[in-house]
Amino acid sequence: AQSVSQHNHHVILSEAASLELGCNYSYGGTVNLFWYVQYPGQHLQLLLKYFSGDPLVKGIKGFEAEFIKSKFSFNLRKPSVQWSDTAEYFCAVKGGSSNTGKLIFGQGTTLQVKP
Amino acid sequence: GAVVSQHPSRVICKSGTSVKIECRSLDFQATTMFWYRQFPKQSLMLMATSNEGSKATYEQGVEKDKFLINHASLTLSTLTVTSAHPEDSSFYICSARDPLGNSNQPQHFGDGTRLSIL
Repeated sequence: AQSVSQHNHHVILSEAASLELGCNYSYGGTVNLFWYVQYPGQHLQLLLKYFSGDPLVKGIKGFEAEFIKSKFSFNLRKPSVQWSDTAEYFCAVKGGSSNTGKLIFGQGTTLQVKP
Repeated sequence: GAVVSQHPSRVICKSGTSVKIECRSLDFQATTMFWYRQFPKQSLMLMATSNEGSKATYEQGVEKDKFLINHASLTLSTLTVTSAHPEDSSFYICSARDPLGNSNQPQHFGDGTRLSIL
């Protein structure tokens, strides 16, 4: 069965610090990978996604993620965080062969950026 | 961009009450919608996949008689929590996928419904 694990449950950073949030998945076949962000009081929004091709994907707001197949990882990075990046971050995976589009989410990481 | 509207945003009711939550795709037709449940500080857990015009597909461990799903039109899916009890208190989130895209297209999420059963 597919599963997603996010190692960091709560991260506190100062503005301008670099960010890396870990995400590992368990699935034997082709996967599609996603990072979603949930700002306080708002709905989930897509940050970036990986389907195929270049394993380094760039998303909105300066975020990027690297797919490392050998490590079953899809870590999220940002060189310099801002106070407005304070939010909940979710990694998600979908089996590439799935026709339903069903997503499996990690447990989420709360990012708190101090001004 | 694609918008999914979820209503109500918050419900507080007595134990034994049935509660209906609506999920609407506002600017696209969604043949498939998803219902998630999120406990505090935990991940979104998929409850069921709602398919327009057919029965929903429930995940293992989710009681279909407890969580009734109806997807009668291409823009509306409803989740009814029947005879709700305090343990059903949670944050329920719906999402929808634009069928004009392929199965790789990301889901668009509603704002969620906070259900509190007294």
